[in-house]
Amino acid sequence: SQQGEEDPQALSIQEGENATMNCSYKTSINNLQWYRQNSGRGLVHLILIRSNEREKHSGRLRVTLDTSKKSSSLLITASRAADTASYFCAASGSARQLTFGSGTQLTVLP
Amino acid sequence: DSGVTQTPKHLITATGQRVTLRCSPRSGDLSVYWYQQSLDQGLQFLIQYYNGEERAKGNILERFSAQQFPDLHSELNLSSLELGDSALYFCASSVEPGALDDPRQFFGPGTRLTVL
Repeated sequence: SQQGEEDPQALSIQEGENATMNCSYKTSINNLQWYRQNSGRGLVHLILIRSNEREKHSGRLRVTLDTSKKSSSLLITASRAADTASYFCAASGSARQLTFGSGTQLTVLP
Repeated sequence: DSGVTQTPKHLITATGQRVTLRCSPRSGDLSVYWYQQSLDQGLQFLIQYYNGEERAKGNILERFSAQQFPDLHSELNLSSLELGDSALYFCASSVEPGALDDPRQFFGPGTRLTVL
């Protein structure tokens, strides 16, 4: 079973707009990671935030973590058509295996 | 390119058969993880190996087994295949479990299994 849910399930925006995806998880974590998957291909690691961090930036990505609400969000700024993909959050506890959310399908229209 | 390789890319087989999926981790990574991605179950953790030893089990069926060899490559064996086993199977590797410095996992391109 999956750790949690992602919201929205699908998101369609215009190039240049910002995209925000939310993730909820169920148990305590050591870190939360975000991955991107292009159409049935492998998962690419985007960014990791540890349980003692509240916000992290990497290029056009900004991730936040609220451990009291067991939730995280990923913001992609100034979206490009190449950002079209599925985005997954993955919670990692002490055992380190990843428990994935259900994913958000992002479509960026040119 | 993550540095993790998986073979074959595609596999088509019949119900009741047995297949073996192969994974080579990134150079230097001791941990290997197997995940299954299907339409109804999403991405699920199956099993983890560290330096040849099984470390953790997730939602892995008894018909499935895995091992990690001395050269650190890993194989996932799926037997008595059913239609519902059709899925993408991913292998991922990381430096070592429990390491606080870099818990990232690096995923291979996956093996798409179709059971007819």
